[in-house]
Amino acid sequence: AQSVSQHNHHVILSEAASLELGCNYSYGGTVNLFWYVQYPGQHLQLLLKYFSGDPLVKGIKGFEAEFIKSKFSFNLRKPSVQWSDTAEYFCAVNGGNDYKLSFGAGTTVTVRA
Amino acid sequence: EAGVTQFPSHSVIEKGQTVTLRCDPISGHDNLYWYRRVMGKEIKFLLHFVKESKQDESGMPNNRFLAERTGGTYSTLKVQPAELEDSGVYFCASSQDQAGASTDTQYFGPGTRLTVL
Repeated sequence: AQSVSQHNHHVILSEAASLELGCNYSYGGTVNLFWYVQYPGQHLQLLLKYFSGDPLVKGIKGFEAEFIKSKFSFNLRKPSVQWSDTAEYFCAVNGGNDYKLSFGAGTTVTVRA
Repeated sequence: EAGVTQFPSHSVIEKGQTVTLRCDPISGHDNLYWYRRVMGKEIKFLLHFVKESKQDESGMPNNRFLAERTGGTYSTLKVQPAELEDSGVYFCASSQDQAGASTDTQYFGPGTRLTVL
């Protein structure tokens, strides 16, 4: 069975600080990896995804993530956060022909102005 | 283009009552998914439709939950009778059916917050 682990439950940052959110997964086959974000009062939306090719993936709003196969990791980064990045962030995985997503528990990010 | 919509946004019911949640996927999306998040825990998969057929219902908790997608358009998820542990946020998502479709983006609705008292 697939499982996803997000290392931090709540992260508090000041504006312009760098952000890195950890995500590790457990899955034996080919994986597809996703980061979703839920801004306050809004629905989940995709930040970025990886399924093949360059392991460094760039997404929307200046986010990027790096797939490190040997570490079963897909960490999310942003060099300089803004107050508007305050949200809950979810790492998710599926694999092969398995459509269903397995999610991590989510990380709440609070950016202080 | 309209996104995934869900109705109602909130529902408060008493234990033993019945509730029906509705999801309207993005037009033309063959794949429709239901997920649930209970009390700040992980978002967990419930089931997956391809058009009107149930492709995978391995996440359905028990037979008190019934999902339908008549005509392959909107879907309903009925909980009957509701129990306290059914409280949570129920998300619907949809995606297009393309080759290698497990890589397709799943577009999520705003969720229905269900509270069972």
